[in-house]
Amino acid sequence: SQQGEEDPQALSIQEGENATMNCSYKTSINNLQWYRQNSGRGLVHLILIRSNEREKHSGRLRVTLDTSKKSSSLLITASRAADTASYFCATGQKNTGNQFYFGTGTSLTVIP
Amino acid sequence: SQTIHQWPATLVQPVGSPLSLECTVEGTSNPNLYWYRQAAGRGLQLLFYSVGIGQISSEVPQNLSASRPQDRQFILSSKKLLLSDSGFYLCAWSVFSSYNEQFFGPGTRLTVL
Repeated sequence: SQQGEEDPQALSIQEGENATMNCSYKTSINNLQWYRQNSGRGLVHLILIRSNEREKHSGRLRVTLDTSKKSSSLLITASRAADTASYFCATGQKNTGNQFYFGTGTSLTVIP
Repeated sequence: SQTIHQWPATLVQPVGSPLSLECTVEGTSNPNLYWYRQAAGRGLQLLFYSVGIGQISSEVPQNLSASRPQDRQFILSSKKLLLSDSGFYLCAWSVFSSYNEQFFGPGTRLTVL
């Protein structure tokens, strides 16, 4: 399978704490993206990091990418109850060019 | 601005019945289009993608098929549904292949009984 894997599968934290999720993948990529999904809804794009970038920030989100380890992490700082959702990483494939492959997701619960 | 529509939102179908899910995109031309299936509590599985009218690529062998009769229309079909076809089906589009982000529709919840 070309899917990635997120770790942990589930994470529960208190409001105000930081949440860190990790993603590992198998193939060469041109970018890695993180998405958020609220229960029963479509996915919303959060942030994209290209294969030649190592770190990227967007508001309370910080993404790192280590292509040598084929891994990425998403950090959400100062979490809020509204951050409760599932988070997925997706890889844009280098060789094929058109497909995206999603990981299995991390379910984040932020307790008020 | 671009928008993506999917319908129906929910669908309950008996085993052996046909299926047609539709996805349309507004506000962009020649998008890449994608169909995904998400099993309960799981990640997304890429089913089909299309880079242009009539061009369909299938990722996994299955009971489903896809068609793109118009530039911004993507249809997922089945002649005879199986129980295992139940799931949450998501349509998405992107510009210029996988170098950019995808934009997802609201999804269709399909239950096959």
